[in-house]
Amino acid sequence: GAVVSQHPSRVICKSGTSVKIECRSLDFQATTMFWYRQFPKQSLMLMATSNEGSKATYEQGVEKDKFLINHASLTLSTLTVTSAHPEDSSFYICSASPGAGEQYFGPGTRLTVT
Amino acid sequence: QQQVKQSPQSLIVQKGGISIINCAYENTAFDYFPWYQQFPGKGPALLIAIRPDVSEKKEGRFTISFNKSAKQFSLHIMDSQPGDSATYFCAASLTGGGNKLTFGTGTQLKVEL
Repeated sequence: GAVVSQHPSRVICKSGTSVKIECRSLDFQATTMFWYRQFPKQSLMLMATSNEGSKATYEQGVEKDKFLINHASLTLSTLTVTSAHPEDSSFYICSASPGAGEQYFGPGTRLTVT
Repeated sequence: QQQVKQSPQSLIVQKGGISIINCAYENTAFDYFPWYQQFPGKGPALLIAIRPDVSEKKEGRFTISFNKSAKQFSLHIMDSQPGDSATYFCAASLTGGGNKLTFGTGTQLKVEL
């Protein structure tokens, strides 16, 4: 149980284009979903928290107009990186929480902006 | 007050040995302490978690020891295997605080034959 999927697993895009990443909780309903960014050999950096049907809460320093988050249902959240630039290249990971503090992570999406 | 300090940064253990990773937290309101295992290019996987009402939790070869008064918790991996080689993250959260996890900096474990 507690499986979270992410799609795509890898994406290469050109600078200036937008990329959408999907995160789905497959066997549970997620009251909250989270989006993280991870640089090589570093810990996870929380970008934003989203609750179904409400606006995402962004961490300090994260541009909400650049990283658009939609949490359309209790099993689906999407992250759109708008007007991507090479510095946005990173490993993006979502997690989903059924509550009680637990978080289950997706497999991650490797974004490369050329 | 939200920090979680993790040590060591890296660890090399012989096959069959015990791997020990330590974490210390500052916020006494934290009430959920998970450990995650992450392989290169993959998302973190929940390994084991503990709440402060118990001092120890064991699942197979993995044990969490929790010391509430010292605000410390540790992960013990018994009979370490090469397949355990990964990065391990401790974390802490406040259940009523939106379930946000505060992560440690990670420990890169290598189990040698």
